[in-house]
Amino acid sequence: GQQVMQIPQYQHVQEGEDFTTYCNSSTTLSNIQWYKQRPGGHPVFLIQLVKSGEVKKQKRLTFQFGEAKKNSSLHITATQTTDVGTYFCAGPYSGAGSYQLTFGKGTKLSVIP
Amino acid sequence: EAGVAQSPRYKIIEKRQSVAFWCNPISGHATLYWYQQILGQGPKLLIQFQNNGVVDDSQLPKDRFSAERLKGVDSTLKIQPAKLEDSAVYLCASSLEPGRETQYFGPGTRLLVL
Repeated sequence: GQQVMQIPQYQHVQEGEDFTTYCNSSTTLSNIQWYKQRPGGHPVFLIQLVKSGEVKKQKRLTFQFGEAKKNSSLHITATQTTDVGTYFCAGPYSGAGSYQLTFGKGTKLSVIP
Repeated sequence: EAGVAQSPRYKIIEKRQSVAFWCNPISGHATLYWYQQILGQGPKLLIQFQNNGVVDDSQLPKDRFSAERLKGVDSTLKIQPAKLEDSAVYLCASSLEPGRETQYFGPGTRLLVL
């Protein structure tokens, strides 16, 4: 089955530093989604990337989808304490007649004020 | 727009007891998912419904877990009997279409099995 791997598993940064998490799929993806989960909370959708080489920005967050559509990254510029949480990438794969999202294990971001 | 509702939010039971979780998806969302999220891991899909039919339950431990969505709206997930390793957060999510579309998650039910 499809595997989605994320690195690093944990990242501790000083407030104001940049942060990047990487996501790799074992197969080509039709799209990739990113979710954020705050401590004690539930995953919240951030963005979906569809096109090869696509780059999207949300304020200080920059999302990229690789040319081969097998990898993606999320970069946060000048982290703030509000960025704390676990960031998951998720890719759809075809199974049992439908599509399911497979989530990576996530990157847990801690921001030291 | 109301979000995905789940209850209860927390549950503590002893092993071998049974437990049930309830989910009400966003109105109009045909696809409903149940995920299990163990501490420190990403959500793992247990079962996916399209309206009131099961699309995929390949990762559902069917000897102890069951789920239904009888009228194509609300859904319940049951564990009977519970084991220690079932301690996790059970997340319900819904989407307009299966898989490719954004999924909206409920707050989850945090289960502790003692």
